[in-house]
Amino acid sequence: GAVVSQHPSWVICKSGTSVKIECRSLDFQATTMFWYRQFPKQSLMLMATSNEGSKATYEQGVEKDKFLINHASLTLSTLTVTSAHPEDSSFYICSASAGQRYNEQFFGPGTRLTVL
Amino acid sequence: AQSVAQPEDQVNVAEGNPLTVKCTYSVSGNPYLFWYVQYPNRGLQFLLKYITGDNLVKGSYGFEAEFNKSQTSFHLKKPSALVSDSALYFCAVRDRTSNTGKLIFGQGTTLQVKP
Repeated sequence: GAVVSQHPSWVICKSGTSVKIECRSLDFQATTMFWYRQFPKQSLMLMATSNEGSKATYEQGVEKDKFLINHASLTLSTLTVTSAHPEDSSFYICSASAGQRYNEQFFGPGTRLTVL
Repeated sequence: AQSVAQPEDQVNVAEGNPLTVKCTYSVSGNPYLFWYVQYPNRGLQFLLKYITGDNLVKGSYGFEAEFNKSQTSFHLKKPSALVSDSALYFCAVRDRTSNTGKLIFGQGTTLQVKP
């Protein structure tokens, strides 16, 4: 149980285009979802926290207009990177919490974004 | 401020030998503590957690960790390392009083197990 999927697993796009990444909790209802960014061989940097039906809470330094987060249902959250640039190239990981079991987070497999 | 420290960027151990990956934390009150493992180009896999009770926590794949409140540590251990244990390991802490569920991650430790 507690499986989280991400789609796509990798994406290559041109500079200036927008890319949407989906995060789904497959077998539980996720009251909270988290979006992280990870650079090679580095730790995870929390970008934002989203609760179903409400606006996401962004961490300091993260541009909310560039990284649009929608958490429309208890099983789906999306991250849209708008007007992507090469510096946005990174590994994006989502996690989901059911609000039970001490808010343990279950992580998706990640999405590798490359902006040309 | 809350923080997690993994003092070693890399730990090298021979297959069959015991391994330890260190983690210390700084957080107000009593934290929830977690260990995750990450294989290349993959998300994080949960290994174990400490919530309350017995200070020695047993987790997946033969790993265990000991919560030491006085030393504010939560070191990850395994009695006999496997080559397949080679990966990136993250310690994480969550403030028990937080209602956001946010995890604070350490910087990660690369474990290299050699045959």
